[in-house]
Amino acid sequence: SQQGEEDPQALSIQEGENATMNCSYKTSINNLQWYRQNSGRGLVHLILIRSNEREKHSGRLRVTLDTSKKSSSLLITASRAADTASYFCATDAGSEKLVFGKGTKLTVNP
Amino acid sequence: ETGVTQSPTHLIKTRGQQVTLRCSSQSGHNTVSWYQQALGQGPQFIFQYYREEENGRGNFPPRFSGLQFPNYSSELNVNALELDDSALYLCASSPTGGTGSTDTQYFGPGTRLTVL
Repeated sequence: SQQGEEDPQALSIQEGENATMNCSYKTSINNLQWYRQNSGRGLVHLILIRSNEREKHSGRLRVTLDTSKKSSSLLITASRAADTASYFCATDAGSEKLVFGKGTKLTVNP
Repeated sequence: ETGVTQSPTHLIKTRGQQVTLRCSSQSGHNTVSWYQQALGQGPQFIFQYYREEENGRGNFPPRFSGLQFPNYSSELNVNALELDDSALYLCASSPTGGTGSTDTQYFGPGTRLTVL
């Protein structure tokens, strides 16, 4: 079963715009991670935020976590065509596994 | 590049056959997890191995089995293949394990399995 649910399922923006993706989950977590996947290939880890953190930055990425609402958001600023990919949130609920959502498909148009 | 490799890249099998997929983790990574990703879905956890022992299993039947070797390689074996087993199979390694918490996973490029 999928714990995380990303929203929206698909997002299309112009180069230079910001992209925001949201993730909701159901149970308490140790951490929440965001991954990127290009064209059905392997996943690339983007950022990990622990349950006691509220915001984290990495380059053009900003992740927030609201444990009271069981939700997280990923913001990509000044998007580029190379950011076109599927983005997944994954939660670690302490069971030695990650539970992934269905992903948001982002298209950045040049 | 994560340093995690998988073989083969693509594989076509028929129903009822058996398949072995291979993964080579980064040196020093004592934990490997396997995931199944159906088209248009997120990865689903199959199982995890930590120091050559199974350390957690998802909702997959016993015909999905695995092995982890001391040289940082691992295998996923699937018996009695079914059409629904067609998917991208991903392995992911991590330098931490056995702590009850899952940190950053380093994924391989995956093996695309098609069952006819």
